Amino acid sequence: QVLLQESGPGLVKPSETLSLTCTVSGGSISSDYWSWIRQPPGKGLEWIAYIYNGGSTKYNSSLKGRLIISVDTSRNQFSLKLSSVTAADTAVYYCARQTTHDYHDSNGVSKQWFNWFDPWGQGILVTVSS
Amino acid sequence: DIAMTQSPDSLAVSLGERATINCKSSRSIFYSSNKKNYLSWFQQKPGQPPKLLIYWASTRESGVPDRFSGSGSGTDFTLTISSLQAEDVAVYFCQQYYDSVPTFGQGTKVEI
Repeated sequence: QVLLQESGPGLVKPSETLSLTCTVSGGSISSDYWSWIRQPPGKGLEWIAYIYNGGSTKYNSSLKGRLIISVDTSRNQFSLKLSSVTAADTAVYYCARQTTHDYHDSNGVSKQWFNWFDPWGQGILVTVSS
Repeated sequence: DIAMTQSPDSLAVSLGERATINCKSSRSIFYSSNKKNYLSWFQQKPGQPPKLLIYWASTRESGVPDRFSGSGSGTDFTLTISSLQAEDVAVYFCQQYYDSVPTFGQGTKVEI
């Protein structure tokens, strides 16, 4: 059973960098997609970024330029750094896994795509305040 | 990005009655090559992470009670709770994984 656990500071000052780590147990981080998702208090879910194939990345364009997602395969961890934070970045931050499935494209070429988010970490509340 | 819109934002249902939540995507999330709809449903209770209920629009996750069912195709989807139980009080989200940018609906709060 794969388990995810977020860690990092719960309070970050405005303009500083938010740094979080997700530790994966029960499975290898070298396969699948690994995401960060956030949820401002009382609001909906926003996908932030994912890392896959041990290092390829994709970021939410609304946050691009402030984000870095990285992986440490030796520790089975992946991390998020969000710079120049403001109060709008206050949220519960979740890490989550997406497994993959194989399919054939319109030319019959076999490809891989990601699945749903499962499992999720418990989440960590990060407050941006001076 | 594909926008996901849920309706209603909230609903109150009596115990034992049916609850229906709708989710609409801004473009089709059906892939004709494998005939699958790239949609999942989650349940979130206060202070907890989202819990996977349904994937491929209608496949129930292992351990999820059969009173939960998903239906729909293309751009219009529905989550149905056939007989609401007290433990089903929660917020429900749909999410598409068709696009390289996953997106969520805004959530529907289900109350007794």
